[in-house]
Amino acid sequence: DAMVIQNPRYQVTQFGKPVTLSCSQTLNHNVMYWYQQKSSQAPKLLFHYYDKDFNNEADTPDNFQSRRPNTSFCFLDIRSPGLGDAAMYLCATSLGLASYEQYFGPGTRLTVT
Amino acid sequence: KNEVEQSPQNLTAQEGEFITINCSYSVGISALHWLQQHPGGGIVSLFMLSSGKKKHGRLIATINIQEKHSSLHITASHPRDSAVYICAVRYHTGNQFYFGTGTSLTVIP
Repeated sequence: DAMVIQNPRYQVTQFGKPVTLSCSQTLNHNVMYWYQQKSSQAPKLLFHYYDKDFNNEADTPDNFQSRRPNTSFCFLDIRSPGLGDAAMYLCATSLGLASYEQYFGPGTRLTVT
Repeated sequence: KNEVEQSPQNLTAQEGEFITINCSYSVGISALHWLQQHPGGGIVSLFMLSSGKKKHGRLIATINIQEKHSSLHITASHPRDSAVYICAVRYHTGNQFYFGTGTSLTVIP
């Protein structure tokens, strides 16, 4: 079945230790998004790729980076995680921008110790 | 100012009740999503609307573009409907979605 897959589902990292979260999709969608969702809050868009074109939100910290080596995969790198970065990280895809529907992955819950 | 407001924030219903969750937004949109998130879980897209009404099973979503308002209705509610329901809009002026803070629904058997 076509879907959005995130690995791992749960990730524990130490304060300051780099961590990478993975997202893959079999939908062949052009756009991939990364959202951060903290407890009881709405998801917050960090950045998105349209094909290889990277679009960073203005308030996304420099500590967060992303890579999209091909259409199917997109990675979220947190260079030096702080305690405040503990959250659910959601990947989503859409065929295009504007009025296209987004398809979400199950999320990766990151814990920082 | 791009705001998405949902009401109510929390809702408790008895099984079988008809449920309505509301969403209002401030400026013209290109699309509105209704999303469902179970505790600790990922997000599932229920509907995407740009006009009119959509129905899927016991779920109905409507949108009134002139009034900048959308509603999500659940008929014959069931405990498995317990989740957070999130409204998200994409405005004409940008590419990202703006999310409401969600409505937490609990359906009691």
